[in-house]
Amino acid sequence: DIQMTQSPSSLSASVGDRVTITCRASQSISSYLNWYQQKPGKAPKLLIYAASSLQSGVPSRFSGSGSGTDFTLTISSLQPEDFATYYCQQSYSTHHSFGPGTKVDIK
Amino acid sequence: QLQLQESGPGLVKPSETLSLTCTVSGGSISSSSYYWGWIRQPPGKGLEWIGSIYYSGSTYYNPSLKSRVTISVDTSKNQFSLKLSSVTAADTAVYYCAGLWFRDENWFDPWGQGTLVTVSS
Repeated sequence: DIQMTQSPSSLSASVGDRVTITCRASQSISSYLNWYQQKPGKAPKLLIYAASSLQSGVPSRFSGSGSGTDFTLTISSLQPEDFATYYCQQSYSTHHSFGPGTKVDIK
Repeated sequence: QLQLQESGPGLVKPSETLSLTCTVSGGSISSSSYYWGWIRQPPGKGLEWIGSIYYSGSTYYNPSLKSRVTISVDTSKNQFSLKLSSVTAADTAVYYCAGLWFRDENWFDPWGQGTLVTVSS
């Protein structure tokens, strides 16, 4: 099965900072990579699908890039509502798998 | 707008079977564009995909759980269900159901609000 890793596991940042989170797959997954945001006590929310497509209603400060095994999620200017945990998920295989998550908290 | 809602017991005894149902509203579970999935999250931990089902009954399961998992669909009720047998404390988690958009690319959206299931005697 395809294993997903993320780095860093956590980061501290300030409002207005540019934040980059990396996700790596154990084998090539083309662009079959999605990103989710999860706030405490809430269900995950789809941010980015197919590596770089912004889900409807998601602010344009979020962007995704990458293909093959290496992917990034970028928040261009961190806002107070962006403090959350972010997960990548591969959909290349019918056996879906998630990364371990990256927690973004306030510096 | 598609909405999903989990239901079922919040407490299950060790060695028994966990049973949850997800009710789909705002759309048909027989849509050709969706699979339907279960994902869980132990307290303080990450997300684990459990399995997915198509309205026809075609299923995919996480290999680590496959021997204990059954996912089924009831198109007449617009529902799909999860059964996890021989549960232990390690199965304590928030269980989410989600729609799996299934075209050339696929992703989980929307999600239910989640339901906490505790395994304890």
